[in-house]
Amino acid sequence: RKEVEQDPGPFNVPEGATVAFNCTYSNSASQSFFWYRQDCRKEPKLLMSVYSSGNEDGRFTAQLNRASQYISLLIRDSKLSDSATYLCVVNHPFGNEKLTFGTGTRLTIIP
Amino acid sequence: GAGVSQTPSNKVTEKGKYVELRCDPISGHTALYWYRQSLGQGPEFLIYFQGTGAADDSGLPNDRFFAVRPEGSVSTLKIQRTERGDSAVYLCASSATSGTQYFGPGTRLTVL
Repeated sequence: RKEVEQDPGPFNVPEGATVAFNCTYSNSASQSFFWYRQDCRKEPKLLMSVYSSGNEDGRFTAQLNRASQYISLLIRDSKLSDSATYLCVVNHPFGNEKLTFGTGTRLTIIP
Repeated sequence: GAGVSQTPSNKVTEKGKYVELRCDPISGHTALYWYRQSLGQGPEFLIYFQGTGAADDSGLPNDRFFAVRPEGSVSTLKIQRTERGDSAVYLCASSATSGTQYFGPGTRLTVL
């Protein structure tokens, strides 16, 4: 079983719609959680950290469920510029800061 | 300010050759990471430096892979006797202690 699992998609969503991604992780000792965004042939960039209490940044909302070991990302009022691959990322549980990535979920926003 | 830079951006080599990939981290960042990303996959951890020392090299796939960071800044990933399966994008990231990891644009390695 992979440490971090995501539905690879693709998700093709009309502009203005709401889209949600889920991700599960296997190691219950994992400490930190993130969503990274990766555009085609570019490097990953941090979109947002994910906290137990849930957090929001504009149109983006991230939530963490430690009991079920899943992480979610919600994008409201999607824009064409949201088209990218969204990577679910978990910090290694032994605290040496290395990141474990999911395979990514590819999102395309359709005009 | 300057981000993480990596050179070369593309490298094509023949099976069996030796390659070196360079990473210049963000100035002042003490932590440096190497990841490898194959097509359709997320990045996979290779090695992590804190200062000059490799704090964790558990992700290096075998002894053909080696990395150094002699002065605690620039790092070089070295691959000996390259194989076709080594073809991937090699990503470098740096961070301040326990901070956000910032990635460079990567080196796309193709082994023919």
